[in-house]
Amino acid sequence: EVQLVQSGAEVKKPGESLKISCKGSGHSFTSYWIGWVRQMPGKGLEWMGIIYPGDSDTRYSPSFQGQVTISADKSISTAYLQWSSLKASDTAIYYCARHPRDVLAGTFFHPDYWGQGTLVTVSS
Amino acid sequence: SYELTQPPSVSVSPGQTARITCSGDALPKKYASWYQQKSGQAPVLVIYEDTKRPSGIPERFSGSSSGTVATLTISGARVEDEADYYCYSTDSSDNHSVLFGGGTKLTVL
Repeated sequence: EVQLVQSGAEVKKPGESLKISCKGSGHSFTSYWIGWVRQMPGKGLEWMGIIYPGDSDTRYSPSFQGQVTISADKSISTAYLQWSSLKASDTAIYYCARHPRDVLAGTFFHPDYWGQGTLVTVSS
Repeated sequence: SYELTQPPSVSVSPGQTARITCSGDALPKKYASWYQQKSGQAPVLVIYEDTKRPSGIPERFSGSSSGTVATLTISGARVEDEADYYCYSTDSSDNHSVLFGGGTKLTVL
């Protein structure tokens, strides 16, 4: 069974750093892309960026470039999303999702499996 | 910048057919997929590559695409289908930019 299990809820202060995780199981972690999606309170889904753990190829949405860092440790089948200095506006649920690989195009297809989400609350 | 446009809300009575549209200039060239998100839960894939249904998704869910509009159809909608629905696609540039539609709240009552 394919599973993406995310780390637990976090409460942080503005200016603090944070790294949340997404651990994959039930599939070959290095053969799929892992993307991150933000959902602010009461709002829709926003695609943030994606990583291919097989070679660490990483791509960001222009809206999130420079705001977050996506990484992965293939030895433990885990992808990460991190912030160096949180803002109150980063308060949201963050989802990871698996994207099958488009070998011909060198990109990725739609997300097919999702993690359960990690709630990040940033408040002074 | 490229956008996928969905109606904010659709309302039907149980047993009726619900249709949710997603408009985007690149849709004639790019596939759309659809996600169901019930309150407090993670999204679930219900349609991919415009018309394909993953295993475990009821047959009442179907998808179609014509020109710049992709459509999710729920035939004989049930109360348990009440959720937010999001379309997903990419633009036609070399950047392979990804985005979601703004979401549609489906009410079944």
